[in-house]
Amino acid sequence: DIQMTQSPSTLSASVGDRVTITCRASQSVSRWLAWYQQKPGKAPNLLIYEASSLQSGVPSRFSGSGSGTEFTLTISSLQPDDFATYYCLQYNTYSRTFGQGTKVEFK
Amino acid sequence: EVQLLESGGDLVQPGGSLRLSCVASGFTFSSYAMTWVRQSPGKGLEWVSAISGETGFPTSTYYADSVKGRFTISRDNSKNTLYLQMNNLGADDTAVYYCVKVPFSSAWAYLDYWGQGTLVTVSS
Repeated sequence: DIQMTQSPSTLSASVGDRVTITCRASQSVSRWLAWYQQKPGKAPNLLIYEASSLQSGVPSRFSGSGSGTEFTLTISSLQPDDFATYYCLQYNTYSRTFGQGTKVEFK
Repeated sequence: EVQLLESGGDLVQPGGSLRLSCVASGFTFSSYAMTWVRQSPGKGLEWVSAISGETGFPTSTYYADSVKGRFTISRDNSKNTLYLQMNNLGADDTAVYYCVKVPFSSAWAYLDYWGQGTLVTVSS
């Protein structure tokens, strides 16, 4: 299986900060990567698919980039609603794998 | 509005069985692939199984190695319902199980809409 490694595991930030989360794959997944946001007690919510395509209804402060084995999720100006845990997902193979998550918390 | 409503989660003893159901609404259920994803504190998010939508070819099913031979995914398009039959359950199967839609009929894609999940606890 393809292993997905996110960094950092925890990120302390303030409202208005620019935040970047990285996801690395153990082998190339081309651009078949998605990003999700999850809040406590809730299901994950799709933010980005195909590495950089913004899901309908997701604020434009979220953006994704990368290809192959290294990907980033950027929040251009962190808002109070953005404090959550973020996961990447590779779907290059039918046996999808998730990253372990990055928790964005108040500094 | 896409809605996915899971049910069937329960406390079950090791070695036992359970069947999860997911009723879908707000989209043409038969046209889309569907998956099950689970989440436990120790393992994070884990893809479990997937089933293709109507493609003109026989339905395809896929399983994670951790559940292959024990779990069976199926769907009843007449009832807009997805199922997961789980047999020979172990403690490692304890998790919240999510029913998740795929945006295409092929199961080989990202996951767009998620249900709220149903809790399966395996314990004696």
